[in-house]
Amino acid sequence: AQSVTQLDSHVSVSEGTPVLLRCNYSSSYSPSLFWYVQHPNKGLQLLLKYTSAATLVKGINGFEAEFKKSETSFHLTKPSAHMSDAAEYFCVVRASYDKVIFGPGTSLSVIP
Amino acid sequence: DTEVTQTPKHLVMGMTNKKSLKCEQHMGHRAMYWYKQKAKKPPELMFVYSYEKLSINESVPSRFSPECPNSSLLNLHLHALQPEDSALYLCASSQVASGRSIRTGELFFGEGSRLTVL
Repeated sequence: AQSVTQLDSHVSVSEGTPVLLRCNYSSSYSPSLFWYVQHPNKGLQLLLKYTSAATLVKGINGFEAEFKKSETSFHLTKPSAHMSDAAEYFCVVRASYDKVIFGPGTSLSVIP
Repeated sequence: DTEVTQTPKHLVMGMTNKKSLKCEQHMGHRAMYWYKQKAKKPPELMFVYSYEKLSINESVPSRFSPECPNSSLLNLHLHALQPEDSALYLCASSQVASGRSIRTGELFFGEGSRLTVL
């Protein structure tokens, strides 16, 4: 069975400081892993994805994530937070077209 | 073109009304999805269509009726809804894994339809 844990329901950072959003997963198969961002009253936008190529994945808006199989983790990072990064972030595991598992989400606040 | 378009963006309806939500994509994706999302929660899967056939119905009440008229369009017909059905309804599409591969690509989401049931 697949599952996703996002270790922090809320993260608050100051503008210009690093961002770390944590995600751990379990999967019976080698999954594809994704991070999505959702701004208020908007749909979900893909930030980045891991599909068994490079373990360090670069995404849009300066975000990146590292796949660590031994730790079953896929943490999202950004060197310097911007006010526009304030949003809800979802870690997603996908093992097939119909098995898509969302984490509970992490709300990121950026303090000016 | 990597867009999923949903209409209407906002919908207010009474419990006796019949309305429909529409979703369109032109990326050649053969899997399309309806999700329901409540505030501060992740999306919950409602239906999956694969090659225009309903492949998954996550025990959704019959007051929600999906339809996939062709490979680009997905509808969600609404009838006799309850106030607790008020939510953001998201449509998504993706490629379908070919052969025995279970490695698949990302879901592409629309902006959603904000539904309020009075």
